[in-house]
Amino acid sequence: EDQVTQSPEALRLQEGESSSLNCSYTVSGLRGLFWYRQDPGKGPEFLFTLYSAGEEKEKERLKATLTKKESFLHITAPKPEDSATYLCAVQEGDNTDKLIFGTGTRLQVFP
Amino acid sequence: DAGVIQSPRHEVTEMGQEVTLRCKPISGHDYLFWYRQTMMRGLELLIYFNNNVPIDDSGMPEDRFSAKMPNASFSTLKIQPSEPRDSAVYFCASSLGIQPQHFGDGTRLSIL
Repeated sequence: EDQVTQSPEALRLQEGESSSLNCSYTVSGLRGLFWYRQDPGKGPEFLFTLYSAGEEKEKERLKATLTKKESFLHITAPKPEDSATYLCAVQEGDNTDKLIFGTGTRLQVFP
Repeated sequence: DAGVIQSPRHEVTEMGQEVTLRCKPISGHDYLFWYRQTMMRGLELLIYFNNNVPIDDSGMPEDRFSAKMPNASFSTLKIQPSEPRDSAVYFCASSLGIQPQHFGDGTRLSIL
């Protein structure tokens, strides 16, 4: 069964303390891996799409990387406004437009 | 630009009642997705449409759930009759082409 697993479930960081979030996946033929940010009471907000192993994308303090089995979301010198739940999703195969979401990592950054 | 608009934002109703959730996708988008989010199971796809046609409804939990998209600017998700286990946050998302999906802010549904 296709699976997307995110770790850790929760992460508490001091402002400026860099860290990484992990998303591991088992799908038969990855078409794309997506990172979203979700704030309380809001819908997920798109951050990045990665398509092939070795690909990297950056946006402000965030950098996403992809290997054949996992993706990392690196957060450099985080600020309190980076506090949110980060969701990973994969799109697999040639015959579906569906995304399979992980359960997310809840990040809290303290000043 | 207006994003995906969902209504109502909150719905509280009694078990057995009919519930209708509404979604207006981003203008010009040709895909529309309905999701359900719970603490236990996370974000689950219920059904999605392409050019107003339902493509995959395998995530719809039971016959009590139905979804329609009568035109490119409107979709509904209906639960009849509702049950307490249907309580969740329901999201609508739309996209131009397959990805990325843009989400609304959801409807928080509570069935008493």
